[in-house]
Amino acid sequence: SQKIEQNSEALNIQEGKTATLTCNYTNYSPAYLQWYRQDPGRGPVFLLLIRENEKEKRKERLKVTFDTTLKQSLFHITASQPADSATYLCALHKGNAGNMLTFGGGTRLMVKP
Amino acid sequence: GAVVSQHPSWVICKSGTSVKIECRSLDFQATTMFWYRQFPKQSLMLMATSNEGSKATYEQGVEKDKFLINHASLTLSTLTVTSAHPEDSSFYICSAREQSTDTQYFGPGTRLTVL
Repeated sequence: SQKIEQNSEALNIQEGKTATLTCNYTNYSPAYLQWYRQDPGRGPVFLLLIRENEKEKRKERLKVTFDTTLKQSLFHITASQPADSATYLCALHKGNAGNMLTFGGGTRLMVKP
Repeated sequence: GAVVSQHPSWVICKSGTSVKIECRSLDFQATTMFWYRQFPKQSLMLMATSNEGSKATYEQGVEKDKFLINHASLTLSTLTVTSAHPEDSSFYICSAREQSTDTQYFGPGTRLTVL
């Protein structure tokens, strides 16, 4: 079965710096991969989706890369702000009819002013 | 982005009672919705896949008679926790898949506390 690894330790960075979060997976290459933000006591909020034939995707201060050779996705937040502090989840989709996502454990990001 | 709502946002009930949670896709139609459960400081655990007009597909270890799912329309799925017990207390989150973009959008979640 697919195993997804995200750094379970919190990532602490200074405001204004670039935060980089890692998502590694084993086994099959997903058809696409999604990144979500989750705040305590709230449901995940969709951020970006990247497909297996895409190397990079950007949205405002966010950038996602997808390397199917390394079996890795990187999620970058540039010019980070304290409001970016949250848990970030990556989720993989196999591309089958079940349409299910498999989630990583999430990485907690803390941006200090 | 698309919006998914859940109701109620929190509920407290007595042991032995049943609780219904609604999940609605507000601005798109969803043939597939999903129900998750999340324990504190853990990631989301998929409980079942809800397909409009057909029976839900439950994940291994999830009791289908305990967690009844109904997906009667393209914008509404419901999860009923039957004969709730304290161990059912958790954060329940639904999501709906927007077919045109392959994106799953999540509801805000429902906090269930069973006394």
